[in-house]
Amino acid sequence: DTEVTQTPKHLVMGMTNKKSLKCEQHMGHRAMYWYKQKAKKPPELMFVYSYEKLSINESVPSRFSPECPNSSLLNLHLHALQPEDSALYLCASSREAWDTGELFFGEGSRLTVL
Amino acid sequence: DAKTTQPPSMDCAEGRAANLPCNHSTISGNEYVYWYRQIHSQGPQYIIHGLKNNETNEMASLIITEDRKSSTLILPHATLRDTAVYYCIVSGGYQKVTFGTGTKLQVIP
Repeated sequence: DTEVTQTPKHLVMGMTNKKSLKCEQHMGHRAMYWYKQKAKKPPELMFVYSYEKLSINESVPSRFSPECPNSSLLNLHLHALQPEDSALYLCASSREAWDTGELFFGEGSRLTVL
Repeated sequence: DAKTTQPPSMDCAEGRAANLPCNHSTISGNEYVYWYRQIHSQGPQYIIHGLKNNETNEMASLIITEDRKSSTLILPHATLRDTAVYYCIVSGGYQKVTFGTGTKLQVIP
């Protein structure tokens, strides 16, 4: 199994809602990542988890709250988002955060904030 | 992380080789060159990576200059399915993969 699975594929939420994005991998990878991608722009790194601990936070606003409950799962909790947060949110994993191997990406969750 | 420079767009005739250049003049000795591509509305897909030797896999070849300041990704026989944005990335040590603006490759029938 070489897949990274993200759910939901599409999410529409209001600015007062609380929602979560979920990411799952069963490749035994110990590093997981969240990226944000706006239309026609490259993906931007948000968070890196290594061995279930947050190791990189790229100065992301606190309305985005990541969680890594175990080595296979990565969540992104969303609260009080703004319309400009509408984007494609991509999850990725790799063997290790310091590894020079490849990143495996999911298909993304497309978020629309109304 | 070192920055990369890529042409914003390129065209390639179907069946011909697509040669995508990348400049990374500030690359450090321990940094690898990675190539990913992103087909419309999908997640990025790893293609290949290398340190200083040329590399080849089932998808592509990577040619890195001797001074490591530039590289070229070669898709030997481009198909319509290769139409995508191609990202050249340099990264090493603690993996903080940062995407540049990439090259939009259009394969033309």
